[in-house]
Amino acid sequence: EPEVTQTPSHQVTQMGQEVILRCVPISNHLYFYWYRQILGQKVEFLVSFYNNEISEKSEIFDDQFSVERPDGSNFTLKIRSTKLEDSAMYFCASSNDAKNIQYFGAGTRLSVL
Amino acid sequence: GENVGLHLPTLSVQEGDNSIINCAYSNSASDYFIWYKQESGKGPQFIIDIRSNMDKRQGQRVTVLLNKTVKHLSLQIAATQPGDSAVYFCAERGGNNDMRFGAGTRLTVKP
Repeated sequence: EPEVTQTPSHQVTQMGQEVILRCVPISNHLYFYWYRQILGQKVEFLVSFYNNEISEKSEIFDDQFSVERPDGSNFTLKIRSTKLEDSAMYFCASSNDAKNIQYFGAGTRLSVL
Repeated sequence: GENVGLHLPTLSVQEGDNSIINCAYSNSASDYFIWYKQESGKGPQFIIDIRSNMDKRQGQRVTVLLNKTVKHLSLQIAATQPGDSAVYFCAERGGNNDMRFGAGTRLTVKP
């Protein structure tokens, strides 16, 4: 069964460093999303991406965040200068239509020290 | 602001019993709802969805009920099994096509 894959599963970084979280969406999907989940809290929407541009973003997705689809398979989330409060699970999701089910990856745990 | 919330943070049931997990939402513009299951260390896994033009939808052992009058969503799991133990999130899609998640209910199934 096709699935969304994310790498790495765990990323440890120093405060102020840049990190790039990687995702390979399901191959025929055209809509891509990033969410985050702080430990013990709910899943929060960050950004949606379609046709090589951001379609929606939340208030969390500030100038420190960026997304990119550098090639035909990868979808990345970059945090330019990490803060302690960026520590969370980051989930990538994809769907074949904006109005259909979003399928989630297993997540990347980001730990900012 | 408008949000998705849950009535109970935890639910404990006996194996074989039916489980009902509730969710309240406040965005009257939401037109699509999904229940996700999240096991420890994993991403949310799709269970069942329902669109706002329906009030009930059934899957395998699961049923989702939508009451738009009181903005309430429920997930019913029949004959709950130990493998059903997880955190369950309802999520709604408002006008912007992004999914907004509730806080989650932890379901524990006792053998």
